[in-house]
Amino acid sequence: GENVEQHPSTLSVQEGDSAVIKCTYSDSASNYFPWYKQELGKGPQLIIDIRSNVGEKKDQRIAVTLNKTAKHFSLHITETQPEDSAVYFCATHLVSGYALNFGKGTSLLVTP
Amino acid sequence: NAGVTQTPKFRILKIGQSMTLQCTQDMNHNYMYWYRQDPGMGLKLIYYSVGAGITDKGEVPNGYNVSRSTTEDFPLRLELAAPSQTSVYFCASSPLPGLAGGEADTQYFGPGTRLTVL
Repeated sequence: GENVEQHPSTLSVQEGDSAVIKCTYSDSASNYFPWYKQELGKGPQLIIDIRSNVGEKKDQRIAVTLNKTAKHFSLHITETQPEDSAVYFCATHLVSGYALNFGKGTSLLVTP
Repeated sequence: NAGVTQTPKFRILKIGQSMTLQCTQDMNHNYMYWYRQDPGMGLKLIYYSVGAGITDKGEVPNGYNVSRSTTEDFPLRLELAAPSQTSVYFCASSPLPGLAGGEADTQYFGPGTRLTVL
């Protein structure tokens, strides 16, 4: 089955700095790569996603890049704010499957 | 729209007891999923459903059962609770994959049920 590795497991940055989280996957048939943000006591919420026919996607301070050859994709958060503090999960989706395969998560702490 | 709702929010069970975790979505999504989340781990798929009357096992189905009698509801049943089932359970739904417009595959999650088995 698909194996999704996510790094780092914890990340601490100062407010205003950038944060980068990277995920690698094993199955070249993966075609959809979402990122979820999970705040304490809440369910995961989609913040950005990218499909296999696109190399980069931006939404204000958040961007995702995809390298299909190397089988990795990354989340970039610029100008971080304390409210960005949360656990972030990457996931992949197989073109032949239904469900998402999640990484283990990155706990991001943004200190003022 | 309320989105995906789950009840209860918290529950403590004794070993061997049974319970049903409720999940309802009002977005008319065909696809629904149950995940469990253990500390420091990602979400693992328990069961999923592609429509009313159709369910299938995910990665970790042992000890659980599901049913899907309507589009809106997807309950998860624990028959003989065990300490290994202590976890946070999330229900999710998604539109029919393959649609144009970028909405396909997006999964919307409920707030979760925190279950402790003692």
